[in-house]
Amino acid sequence: GQQVMQIPQYQHVQEGEDFTTYCNSSTTLSNIQWYKQRPGGHPVFLIQLVKSGEVKKQKRLTFQFGEAKKNSSLHITATQTTDVGTYFCAVYFGNEKLTFGTGTRLTIIP
Amino acid sequence: KAGVTQTPRYLIKTRGQQVTLSCSPISGHRSVSWYQQTPGQGLQFLFEYFSETQRNKGNFPGRFSGRQFSNSRSEMNVSTLELGDSALYLCASSSSTSGGIPSTDTQYFGPGTRLTVL
Repeated sequence: GQQVMQIPQYQHVQEGEDFTTYCNSSTTLSNIQWYKQRPGGHPVFLIQLVKSGEVKKQKRLTFQFGEAKKNSSLHITATQTTDVGTYFCAVYFGNEKLTFGTGTRLTIIP
Repeated sequence: KAGVTQTPRYLIKTRGQQVTLSCSPISGHRSVSWYQQTPGQGLQFLFEYFSETQRNKGNFPGRFSGRQFSNSRSEMNVSTLELGDSALYLCASSSSTSGGIPSTDTQYFGPGTRLTVL
């Protein structure tokens, strides 16, 4: 079935360093969503990107949608301990089944 | 508004038993989806209900079933439990209406039910 690849699977960064996770699809996407799941918690919606080349910012988080709408990235500037968790991209492949990427687990080294 | 609630939060069962999990969506949300989360397979879509009808279904065996009531509350049932069914089962609701494609619905997740099968 259709799937979206997410890399890296794990990322350990020193507090204050930047972090980026990427999602890639072999097919053109209509839109892409990003969720964050804290350890022991549940996924929480962060943002949705719809337009080609779209860039959205939420404080230290920057989300991008590729020009070809086949990839997306989430970048966190100057990570803090509150950023710990797993970040998922998620896509509707036109059939209303929300397909999640494998997630990137971010750990922060104080 | 109150968020999505799920009961029970934790459950321990043995192989062969069956289990029913419950989900109450955010008030006004008519779409309820269920997901299974495991370390090996990640977050996988089980099914979605909208106005008491199953609108979408994932690739899970028939042992996994669900239903939705007129008040939008939903239950999922797993029969003849297997060890591999141990997982976090997440329910999510959305304000989806007509079900247009492509969807842009935001999913609001509940805290999940942690099922352990022994």
